[in-house]
Order: sequence, then structure tokens, then C-alpha cells
Amino acid sequence: NAGVTQTPKFQVLKTGQSMTLQCAQDMNHNSMYWYRQDPGMGLRLIYYSASEGTTDKGEVPNGYNVSRLNKREFSLRLESAAPSQTSVYFCASSEKPNQPQHFGDGTRLSIL
Amino acid sequence: AQSVTQPDIHITVSEGASLELRCNYSYGATPYLFWYVQSPGQGLQLLLKYFSGDTLVQGIKGFEAEFKRSQSSFNLRKPSVHWSDAAEYFCAVGLSGNKLTFGGGTRVLVKP
Repeated sequence: NAGVTQTPKFQVLKTGQSMTLQCAQDMNHNSMYWYRQDPGMGLRLIYYSASEGTTDKGEVPNGYNVSRLNKREFSLRLESAAPSQTSVYFCASSEKPNQPQHFGDGTRLSIL
Repeated sequence: AQSVTQPDIHITVSEGASLELRCNYSYGATPYLFWYVQSPGQGLQLLLKYFSGDTLVQGIKGFEAEFKRSQSSFNLRKPSVHWSDAAEYFCAVGLSGNKLTFGGGTRVLVKP
């Protein structure tokens, strides 16, 4: 009964390093999302994938790239990490547009 | 611009007392409405959703929310809080399509 699984749970990077955050869902959902959560700012959408083979920018895409590897997996890549990208990152999935999203437990990323 | 506002950043309530969390949105049409709860160190869990129909919606854990079109509000309520309700609560709003917009969150503290 895993739902949405994110790896790693914690990571510390140095400025300029690259990193890929992994996300997998086992609910056969079509849509997947990446958010970042910062204190007092709620969740902000970075990128989303409405269905396998498609990706679109969200509210804060700069500095990130994504890959919808298959229906189950949606990865988020930081090519050159910056301290402003220190945040908690959440992956979510939903069966189809407008349906409730199911969230992973998050990846806590610190960039020094 | 579309926005979601949770006016209260923190609320402290005594165990057994009632709780009401406010959510206001600015959208041109009636959106889809959600409330999520986040316990420390965890992802978001869906409490309830409103798509259409009866404006009073029942959710899990004894929560309910009322959609008021005239006030552009979707306030969350619970008649009697338990210590386990201490968490952060997020209102989320979306139109047709994939993107949800989240409010900044309200942190609820429960006094014994």
C-alpha cells in the first residue's frame, strides 16, 4: 500500500551540484506533479505531467527539469543547485485532471 | 490573478473546543475546492473535496466544510478538536485542468 514514494528523504548538496529527485506511484494514476514547500508560502507547483509523455511548467519552473519516465515515475532534476532551492519537495499524483492529488512524504533538500 | 488566501497563520484551540479555518479564493468561476492536512514530517492528506452539489461537505476525521459562493469561501470546521488534530491545514483550489493553487496554510495548536 505504498501510494507515492519519493527518494531520497533527505539530501544535502553544495551549490552547483546536480541532483535528481525520484518519484514513483503505484496507483495507476495518469497525472503527476512536483511541488516545493517553503514556510508561509504553501505549496508551489514546479512542473506537472498531465499524462505519460507530456510535461508542463508550473508556477516556479526555473532551475528545474523533469522527466516522465513512464506512467509510474516522474523525476525532478536540479542541474546546478542554488541555496534558493533549499526546500521540501513533494511529489503527487492523481487519477485524472481535477481529481484529488495523493502526496508522497517529501524530500528535504538543503543546499549550502 | 487567481489566488487562495488563508488569513490565519496560526490558531490555538483547547481540546474539545470547536475549530474553524478560513479559506477565501479569487477565481472567475466556481472552482474545485479541497482541504488537506499535513502532520509534521509527512505529506499532505486529503480531508475533503467539493466539486458541485451540496455546499456542505463531510470529510474524514470528523471535519466538514461549507462552500459559500457569495463569499468566495470554503471554510473548514470541526465541532470538537482532539489533540491529534494539531497539524497544518491547507486549502487548495483549482479550475478545470491539472493545476491546484494552495493557500499558505494554517497551523493549528491544540491545548490540553
